[in-house]
Amino acid sequence: DTGVSQDPRHKITKRGQNVTFRCDPISEHNRLYWYRQTLGQGPEFLTYFQNEAQLEKSRLLSDRFSAERPKGSFSTLEIQRTEQGDSAMYLCASREQGRGNTIYFGEGSWLTVV
Amino acid sequence: AQSVTQLDSQVPVFEEAPVELRCNYSSSVSVYLFWYVQYPNQGLQLLLKYLSGSTLVKGINGFEAEFNKSQTSFHLRKPSVHISDTAEYFCAVSGAGGSQGNLIFGKGTKLSVKP
Repeated sequence: DTGVSQDPRHKITKRGQNVTFRCDPISEHNRLYWYRQTLGQGPEFLTYFQNEAQLEKSRLLSDRFSAERPKGSFSTLEIQRTEQGDSAMYLCASREQGRGNTIYFGEGSWLTVV
Repeated sequence: AQSVTQLDSQVPVFEEAPVELRCNYSSSVSVYLFWYVQYPNQGLQLLLKYLSGSTLVKGINGFEAEFNKSQTSFHLRKPSVHISDTAEYFCAVSGAGGSQGNLIFGKGTKLSVKP
C-alpha cells in the first residue's frame, strides 16, 4: 500500500496556460475525490468518482476545470486558461465504498499561477 | 447541507500542557465526524472519527474527541502535547445518510506548541 500519489507536487505556470494534475489512488479504492485548498482555508470539495463515473461536481468546478478517471484507476484534473485565483493546493483522496470508510488524502499538488 | 465551525484559528500552548481544539457543526441529518491533521506542505492524515456508538473516540498520537449531539460539538483534546504536535488541525463532517462520503471541512486551527 503506497498511499494516494499525486503528480506533480508543485507547478508554476503563467496565466492563460493549461495544467494537468494526476492522482493515483490506493489500489482497491473505487471512490476518488478532488479537493482544493487555498491558504488559510480548509479543503473544499470539487468532485468525486465512483470507478470511472463522475457522480458529483461542486459549483466551484467551473467550465475551465475537467476531471477524468477513464479506467476507474488513476484520475486527472485539468485546468484550462489558468487564472491567478486558481493558485491553490489540489488534493486527491480515495476510499473504499461503504458508509463511514476513511478517506485517505494524497500530499497535494501546489499550483502557482503567475 | 452541513457546515463546520472551528472556533479558534490559532492555539498556542506550552509543551506538556493539555489542549482542546473546538469544533461545532450544523446539519439537518445525522452525521459522521472527523479530525484530520496537516503538517506543513503535506496532505491530511486522519486522527480519529466518530461514526456511531460511544461518544468518546480515541485516535492516534494520544488524541481523543467527544461527540456531543445536544451541543453539536466534536472537540479534540490531548492531555499533554509535544513539540511534534505543531500542525494544523481540521474538523470535518459528512452526512451519515448518504453514501458519497464527501467531507465538509472547517477552516482549521493552527496548534503551536512552544518549549
